[in-house]
Amino acid sequence: KQEVTQIPAALSVPEGENLVLNCSFTDSAIYNLQWFRQDPGKGLTSLLLIQSSQREQTSGRLNASLDKSSGRSTLYIAASQPGDSATYLCAVRGYNNFGNEKLTFGTGTRLTIIP
Amino acid sequence: ETGVTQTPRHLVMGMTNKKSLKCEQHLGHNAMYWYKQSAKKPLELMFVYSLEERVENNSVPSRFSPECPNSSHLFLHLHTLQPEDSALYLCASSQGPGNTIYFGEGSWLTVV
Repeated sequence: KQEVTQIPAALSVPEGENLVLNCSFTDSAIYNLQWFRQDPGKGLTSLLLIQSSQREQTSGRLNASLDKSSGRSTLYIAASQPGDSATYLCAVRGYNNFGNEKLTFGTGTRLTIIP
Repeated sequence: ETGVTQTPRHLVMGMTNKKSLKCEQHLGHNAMYWYKQSAKKPLELMFVYSLEERVENNSVPSRFSPECPNSSHLFLHLHTLQPEDSALYLCASSQGPGNTIYFGEGSWLTVV
C-alpha cells in the first residue's frame, strides 16, 4: 500500500529565503507526482506535475524534482514571498490491483512566510 | 476561477436530513472525482467517474450516494450522516488517467 509522507508538518521562514519542501513515498512504481497548494478553507491548486521519467519540472519560482528510485520528491521555492504561505501537498499517482488510477496524498506541509 | 465549481460552499445538516453536493466542471474533462478531507488526515478518494461510469468506490458507506448524469456534472447525495462525516468535500476533474487533476473550492459539511 502506497504511503506518502511530508516532513516537516509546518515550516516558517523569513521572506526572501529559498526553501525546500520534502515528499517521500514508499512504492516507487508511480506514474507521476503532482504538487499542490491549498489556502485555508479553499480547494487545491495544481502547481507542478512531474512524470516518472522526468527528473524535474520548473514553473516560475518553483522547481520540483523527482528521484523515483529513492521514493523522494522536493519542491524548491526561490525568493519566498508572504503570498507563498499555504499548505503544500504532494500526491503520487499509481494504479491499484484493478488497473484503476490511484492518487495518494501526503498530509501536507503548512508553510508560513514571515514578512 | 478553477474551472471546477462546487455548491454549496458551506452546509450544516442534521443527522436525519437529506442534502446534495453539486459539482460542475467547465474544462471538457471526462473524469470526475469526489474526495474527503478531514483534519490532519490525507485526502481520501471516495468515488471516481470516467465517461459518466463509476470506476471506483473506495468502501464508502452507503449514506453517501454519487450521481454523474453527464461528463460535466457530479453530485454527492447525503442522507442519515454522522457527526464524523463533517469534513471538506472536494470535487475534481481530469482529462483521463495520468493527467493533471483540477480541484474545486470544496464544500464544507458540518453534521450536527
